[in-house]
Amino acid sequence: EAQVTQNPRYLITVTGKKLTVTCSQNMNHEYMSWYRQDPGLGLRQIYYSMNVEVTDKGDVPEGYKVSRKEKRNFPLILESPSPNQTSLYFCASSLSGSSIQPQHFGDGTRLSIL
Amino acid sequence: DAKTTQPNSMESNEEEPVHLPCNHSTISGTDYIHWYRQLPSQGPEYVIHGLTSNVNNRMASLAIAEDRKSSTLILHRATLRDAAVYYCIHSINFGNEKLTFGTGTRLTIIP
Repeated sequence: EAQVTQNPRYLITVTGKKLTVTCSQNMNHEYMSWYRQDPGLGLRQIYYSMNVEVTDKGDVPEGYKVSRKEKRNFPLILESPSPNQTSLYFCASSLSGSSIQPQHFGDGTRLSIL
Repeated sequence: DAKTTQPNSMESNEEEPVHLPCNHSTISGTDYIHWYRQLPSQGPEYVIHGLTSNVNNRMASLAIAEDRKSSTLILHRATLRDAAVYYCIHSINFGNEKLTFGTGTRLTIIP
């Protein structure tokens, strides 16, 4: 089944403790992206990757890192999480970065930073 | 950022058609119109997209106004599983397929 898989689905942690949210897609998609969703603010893009080893900042990249060493994986790294990064995070992928390609989203990771 | 305007919420009876409106008055000639929906506790799901002509797929139909400043997503026969938040987006095609989601329309289906 074609899917985008995120892990973990839920995480409660403390300020400053490094964490990684993994994202994997099995559709051989070139384009991958991370969004965060906050009440009243919609989804905002954090980072995106047009292909392997190519990443770039979205609208809200501060406090986050990403890497794209393999086509299927696009982990989101919070080196020193803070409470303002408490949010619902979604990974998405599409065949390419073209605007006509539908994006496929994972089911989300709910992070709580205490 | 590309702006769209949608009603905050709508209700519809089960098995009736639903017309979800969207205004996108700042759209330019090469921007596509996309619709996604988000069911409870899930990630957004692609529904349909179009440029100028009306579009149909197995999930819905998209009717685009002649001036492209508005569009309507049509669910032909709503079911309880269609209860979701529906997002209308117009993408600015510059290579990064960033979808700027607004707050969408929360659709409630009445049994």
